[in-house]
Amino acid sequence: DAMVIQNPRYQVTQFGKPVTLSCSQTLNHNVMYWYQQKSSQAPKLLFHYYDKDFNNEADTPDNFQSRRPNTSFCFLDIRSPGLGDAAMYLCATSREAEGEQYFGPGTRLTVT
Amino acid sequence: RKEVEQDPGPFNVPEGATVAFNCTYSNSASQSFFWYRQDCRKEPKLLMSVYSSGNEDGRFTAQLNRASQYISLLIRDSKLSDSATYLCVVASSGGSYIPTFGRGTSLIVHP
Repeated sequence: DAMVIQNPRYQVTQFGKPVTLSCSQTLNHNVMYWYQQKSSQAPKLLFHYYDKDFNNEADTPDNFQSRRPNTSFCFLDIRSPGLGDAAMYLCATSREAEGEQYFGPGTRLTVT
Repeated sequence: RKEVEQDPGPFNVPEGATVAFNCTYSNSASQSFFWYRQDCRKEPKLLMSVYSSGNEDGRFTAQLNRASQYISLLIRDSKLSDSATYLCVVASSGGSYIPTFGRGTSLIVHP
């Protein structure tokens, strides 16, 4: 059974056209994370939520926003995608901070 | 100095070989340590947590050396299916939890 679900799996958007990626979890975990991963690089943390407490990484561009309307769902909004935003976007959850993370399958974003 | 460093490899080994990876970290206050496995174009999956006393899961053994600030992963009797990228994750407790990934070590097991 899927535990962390991401939709869509593949997303193509045009330069500057807003896009929203979604993540849902059936684990009832408190913490949700969004990562960006480019080829041959480590996943880079963009944001995380501990319950409703939002934590933004200092170097996350303003172009990236996030929402967590309830425990199960979390969204990543890219307001004006640039070519450099093409990447795999990974959502992860953990029961508590410092805990093991469970990842969704990712959304591969292409910007044309 | 990067917070979490790994040799990117690739480590190219024959089936049945024993291979070890290290991961160094710079924050001495780090408290949580993990190894993840990532297959090409897939998401990372937890391989094992790393405990202070070291831990073993079948062919995999993880160790933590706080004095020298590194964790290690040993794979015995390598299988073709072990071919993947192995990512270490280090995090410090207290305040906002920030897990930091290494860039991963690529392992290729050949017949």
